[in-house]
Amino acid sequence: EAQVTQNPRYLITVTGKKLTVTCSQNMNHEYMSWYRQDPGLGLRQIYYSMNVEVTDKGDVPEGYKVSRKEKRNFPLILESPSPNQTSLYFCASSWRAANEKLFFGSGTQLSVL
Amino acid sequence: QKEVEQNSGPLSVPEGAIASLNCTYSDRGSQSFFWYRQYSGKSPELIMFIYSNGDKEDGRFTAQLNKASQYVSLLIRDSQPSDSATYLCAGGSGGGADGLTFGKGTHLIIQP
Repeated sequence: EAQVTQNPRYLITVTGKKLTVTCSQNMNHEYMSWYRQDPGLGLRQIYYSMNVEVTDKGDVPEGYKVSRKEKRNFPLILESPSPNQTSLYFCASSWRAANEKLFFGSGTQLSVL
Repeated sequence: QKEVEQNSGPLSVPEGAIASLNCTYSDRGSQSFFWYRQYSGKSPELIMFIYSNGDKEDGRFTAQLNKASQYVSLLIRDSQPSDSATYLCAGGSGGGADGLTFGKGTHLIIQP
C-alpha cells in the first residue's frame, strides 16, 4: 500500500531533550516536506527536500533540522525542543515538486513540557 | 507574502443540499490548486485538484477556478453527514520548489 509513515503518533517530552520524528514514504517520491499545524494558524511548512541531499527552509524553520540521506526517509529533528514547538506535525511527499498532489502522513502530536 | 484566505466557518448545510466553500489567493503566479478534507485529529486527504480556469467535476465534488479573480471554490452536492470536516484550500506556484500555501480551512457541518 502506497503511504507516508510517520512515527511516533504521539510524543510527550520535556524542554531541551533532543527528539527525532521519523518519516518514510514507499512511493519513490522525490519531494518531501514537513508541516506543523496549529489552531488558528493553519498548516505551515518547516522544511522541504527536492531530492536526496537537497533540503531547504520553509516558512518556520527555526528550532528544527532535517536530513535526506535516502530518498524514502526524511526525519525531523528537534535538537532542543521548547514549549512553543508543541504542535501537530505532518510529513508529506509528492512525485517531483511541491505544486503537485501532496500525500500526508498520519501526523505526530508533540507536547513539549 | 503568499496568502490563501478562507472563511473559517463553521458553515452549516442541511443534509442533501449543496455546500459551497470558497477561497481566494494573493499570488498571481499560483498555477495549481488543491482541496483537502481533514477530519479532526487526522491528516489532510486530497479530494480535488484543478490547474485550469473553469470547472472540474469528480462525483459529488466540483472545483471551480477563476484566475482573473484569484478565486477557487469547491461545491459538494448531495451533502452527507460524513462530509462534515475542515476543508483546506491550497495553492502552488509554477516554480515547483516552494511549498503549497494552505488556507486555515473552513469548518463544514452537515446537519442531518
